[in-house]
Amino acid sequence: EPEVTQTPSHQVTQMGQEVILRCVPISNHLYFYWYRQILGQKVEFLVSFYNNEISEKSEIFDDQFSVERPDGSNFTLKIRSTKLEDSAMYFCASRTGQGETQYFGPGTRLLVL
Amino acid sequence: RKEVEQDPGPFNVPEGATVAFNCTYSNSASQSFFWYRQDCRKEPKLLMSVYSSGNEDGRFTAQLNRASQYISLLIRDSKLSDSATYLCVVNTPGTGRRALTFGSGTRLQVQP
Repeated sequence: EPEVTQTPSHQVTQMGQEVILRCVPISNHLYFYWYRQILGQKVEFLVSFYNNEISEKSEIFDDQFSVERPDGSNFTLKIRSTKLEDSAMYFCASRTGQGETQYFGPGTRLLVL
Repeated sequence: RKEVEQDPGPFNVPEGATVAFNCTYSNSASQSFFWYRQDCRKEPKLLMSVYSSGNEDGRFTAQLNRASQYISLLIRDSKLSDSATYLCVVNTPGTGRRALTFGSGTRLQVQP
């Protein structure tokens, strides 16, 4: 069964450093998403991406964040200058153009020191 | 008011018990509804979509009441493997591409 994959599974970084989180959505999916979950809190929407552009973003997704689909398979989330409060689990999700169901990757646990 | 509200639990039930979770959502324009399951430190996984007429999948039954903006999940004959956090999820309407809004989850612990 096809799955969304994410790398790395864990990332530790120093405050102020840039990080890039990578995702490979399911191959025939057209809509891509990033969510985050701070430890002990709910899953929060960051951004959605369709047809090579951002279609919606939340208030969390400020100028420090960017997304890219550099080739036909990868979907990346970049945080330019990490803050302590960026420490969270980051989930990538994707869906087809037909149904509503989003399939989540296993997540990247980011720790900012 | 929270967009999606759930009782955080935990619900501690014995194996074989029936347990019900409730959820309310604030945006009457919400269009799609789901229950996801999340194991500790893992990704959310779709348990079932929720349809207006109600739907059942084995031991799981979901109901939607649009007038009351209320969603429920019933688990019959609980198994140890049902222990997890159950997330009530709604589609966020707007100009975007159907981002999901999550509740904080209800934790279920099934005990032997």
